[in-house]
Amino acid sequence: GESVGLHLPTLSVQEGDNSIINCAYSNSASDYFIWYKQESGKGPQFIIDIRSNMDKRQGQRVTVLLNKTVKHLSLQIAATQPGDSAVYFCAENIGDSSYKLIFGSGTRLLVRP
Amino acid sequence: SAVISQKPSRDICQRGTSLTIQCQVDSQVTMMFWYRQQPGQSLTLIATANQGSEATYESGFVIDKFPISRPNLTFSTLTVSNMSPEDSSIYLCSVVLPGQTYEQYFGPGTRLTVT
Repeated sequence: GESVGLHLPTLSVQEGDNSIINCAYSNSASDYFIWYKQESGKGPQFIIDIRSNMDKRQGQRVTVLLNKTVKHLSLQIAATQPGDSAVYFCAENIGDSSYKLIFGSGTRLLVRP
Repeated sequence: SAVISQKPSRDICQRGTSLTIQCQVDSQVTMMFWYRQQPGQSLTLIATANQGSEATYESGFVIDKFPISRPNLTFSTLTVSNMSPEDSSIYLCSVVLPGQTYEQYFGPGTRLTVT
């Protein structure tokens, strides 16, 4: 198998439970944040994004929360399914015009059947 | 979204050689980037591939080691030159689509092993 995620922190949840994945970012000037999902052998896949003028955004089974005071981002996955097993990365744009993203260290999510 | 392909999907190379990785997009894009993902690690930006001009490299990455071309709005190449085992990584290209904000779409990656 691929080596992505072997050395990353791991969150293990029971199928059907809710998952919460956390991310701390470093740049207070960041104004745009994205969560990506990376399955083994694939490139990162966009899940959900949020701008700094919001503190919560919901998608299908996913919610992103942003706490600018403590520079913290979280991804909540409702009713976690086996297909949610992957490595999850947060990424931030520092608010310049470069479109560059800075990626966090990642969390591996394992869903127990 | 966009369909992004990379060639090769994986390769095993000998140290001292070079490998060129191709990234092809099915539509014209605003921005193209190249990332490295070392085993068990997150993604690190190598450079922004600029259409018709020299790429913009991040700290720690230089053109002599990672030459990049972007001849048009749908295609880019990354060369990993004079490879060593430390270059063993997954290399990914990503794009920003016209009209999008900062959302990047990623190719499937090229897994490089240097022996």
